[in-house]
Amino acid sequence: QQPVQSPQAVILREGEDAVINCSSSKALYSVHWYRQKHGEAPVFLMILLKGGEQKGHEKISASFNEKKQQSSLYLTASQLSYSGTYFCGTKALNNAGNMLTFGGGTRLMVKP
Amino acid sequence: EAQVTQNPRYLITVTGKKLTVTCSQNMNHEYMSWYRQDPGLGLRQIYYSMNVEVTDKGDVPEGYKVSRKEKRNFPLILESPSPNQTSLYFCASSLSGQVIYNSPLHFGNGTRLTVT
Repeated sequence: QQPVQSPQAVILREGEDAVINCSSSKALYSVHWYRQKHGEAPVFLMILLKGGEQKGHEKISASFNEKKQQSSLYLTASQLSYSGTYFCGTKALNNAGNMLTFGGGTRLMVKP
Repeated sequence: EAQVTQNPRYLITVTGKKLTVTCSQNMNHEYMSWYRQDPGLGLRQIYYSMNVEVTDKGDVPEGYKVSRKEKRNFPLILESPSPNQTSLYFCASSLSGQVIYNSPLHFGNGTRLTVT
């Protein structure tokens, strides 16, 4: 079953902040985040392992709450280059070989 | 340059005409996978391969075949394409599919398939 991402779409002005959430019904081992720009392949941003760690990539950070099986991606002081579709990919504890199950994506548009 | 190469980028075909989409990676990755991307549904896994000669079904394998005879290549075969297989397809590879490695996926540039 796919993880659920929210919101489905968000529009920001340059410099504003945004949060994208990813929720799973399964016990998770890790959460991956990817960004896909229009017409391009998804690009890896970061991996979070169970343990609630938080990671950062430029002004983008994320957290993983393993008790709630939720991850959140935080985009701070957004830039035009942040526009794209963000996908979370989840890896369940009992699902080693299937790799990642992706959410439906969150479309982010940053306007000047 | 480390990369995953898919061919062709665009393909228009007719129902029932067998086709193959090729995928090759030059990073010596053990794990390879095929995804299809449809609006609102994100990326759904079709098949994956943990290593040479080891393949398994993903979430949406019906109508597709794969093979992994060499480590670098992982072709996707549609024996009898149908219009519901019109989609954007991505091949991806990773150092390993094993849990302990948690290595990221590297995606190819995609193949946009239209079946009429």
